[in-house]
Amino acid sequence: KNEVEQSPQNLTAQEGEFITINCSYSVGISALHWLQQHPGGGIVSLFMLSSGKKKHGRLIATINIQEKHSSLHITASHPRDSAVYICAVREAGNMLTFGGGTRLMVKP
Amino acid sequence: DAGITQSPRHKVTETGTPVTLRCHQTENHRYMYWYRQDPGHGLRLIHYSYGVKDTDKGEVSDGYSVSRSKTEDFLLTLESATSSQTSVYFCAISEVPSGGDQADTQYFGPGTRLTVL
Repeated sequence: KNEVEQSPQNLTAQEGEFITINCSYSVGISALHWLQQHPGGGIVSLFMLSSGKKKHGRLIATINIQEKHSSLHITASHPRDSAVYICAVREAGNMLTFGGGTRLMVKP
Repeated sequence: DAGITQSPRHKVTETGTPVTLRCHQTENHRYMYWYRQDPGHGLRLIHYSYGVKDTDKGEVSDGYSVSRSKTEDFLLTLESATSSQTSVYFCAISEVPSGGDQADTQYFGPGTRLTVL
C-alpha cells in the first residue's frame, strides 16, 4: 500500500506570499492528483500529473518521479486560497490513495 | 461543475439502524466511488463501481455494501450502523481511464455528514 505524506500539515501565510506544499509517496505510481477542499467541504480536482510540471493561473504543480515527490506552489497567495490541499496517487486501476491534507490559511 | 448530487446531505441515526446514502450523476461516467473522510485519516475508499452491477471493495469496506442498478445511481448501505461509521461520506465519479489528462479526473459530490448515536 502506498504511503502518502504531505508537509506541512498546517500553514499560515500572509497575502501575497509564495506558498509550497509538498507530497511524498513510497511506491511507484502512474499519476498524482492535487485536490482542493473548500472550507464548506466541497472537493475540487486541481491537477493530474504523470511527469513534469503543470500551471493553471497562480497554481503550479511539479512532480519528480525518480524522487517520488510532488510540490504544489501558489504564487501571490490570496485569502480565497485558504483551503485544505490534498495529494492523491494512483497505482493500478483507477483507485486513489490520499494524503492527510495540508490546511492553508492566508491572512489579509 | 460535474453533475453529482448526494442525498441526504445530513443524517443523524441510532446505532443498529440501516442507512442508505445515494449518489446520483448526470454525466454518464462509468466509474463511481464512495469515500469516507475522518480527521487524521484523510479520504479512504469504501467501495467503487466500474459499471452497472460491477462493484469492488476498497480499503475500508467492512460494514458497508453497495449497489449500482443504473449508470447514474450508486447506493451505499450501512446494514447496521455503528458509532465508528460516523463520518463525512463523499461520492466521486470518473470516466473510463483511456489516457489523456482529463479522462482520469475524479469529480466529487458535495458530501453527506452522517452521525451515528
